[in-house]
Amino acid sequence: NAGVTQTPKFQVLKTGQSMTLQCAQDMNHNSMYWYRQDPGMGLRLIYYSASEGTTDKGEVPNGYNVSRLNKREFSLRLESAAPSQTSVYFCASIMDGPSEQFFGPGTRLTVL
Amino acid sequence: AQSVAQPEDQVNVAEGNPLTVKCTYSVSGNPYLFWYVQYPNRGLQFLLKYITGDNLVKGSYGFEAEFNKSQTSFHLKKPSALVSDSALYFCAVRERTSGSARQLTFGSGTQLTVLP
Repeated sequence: NAGVTQTPKFQVLKTGQSMTLQCAQDMNHNSMYWYRQDPGMGLRLIYYSASEGTTDKGEVPNGYNVSRLNKREFSLRLESAAPSQTSVYFCASIMDGPSEQFFGPGTRLTVL
Repeated sequence: AQSVAQPEDQVNVAEGNPLTVKCTYSVSGNPYLFWYVQYPNRGLQFLLKYITGDNLVKGSYGFEAEFNKSQTSFHLKKPSALVSDSALYFCAVRERTSGSARQLTFGSGTQLTVLP
């Protein structure tokens, strides 16, 4: 049981480049989330998917798109990266009920 | 809307002493409350949660937290701190009626340093 996995672990982009962050969970969870973590700001929700086939905006969605490919996978895409998107990105998932979220190890992204 | 405040960016405590990391929240109705810990260059690990029942919740690694409804607080505590407890701690809240979204709102985090 791998839990929540994320690829890549590290990435450096130039301004204007695009990339996709991958996330997968093997716990049969319905809901999945993408967060960004910046110093002193905690975790802020970018997008979430309450179930397969649905996605919704979170607190900071601008500059990002997501795809819930199937129940296991939830990807985050940066179409035209900007230095303000330099951050650590975490994927999480949750089972139904009053459960805690399970987090992946994170992707550290630097945009030059 | 829901919100979480962690009033201390940094908490220092000597090894063997008790520690407290503070958290207050604002939410409509009764909350679900969580504590997570983050070690350097790692993801968030779940420590404990309050759902209902006993106001004192026990979690992993000897941590506990006390839910105080009147003060809207959920402070994290440990009777005897270890150097290995040094990490970044996050408090999070979720409304019970958040439906299928089950969104968490996180505090800004408290860096705990346990001094040998």
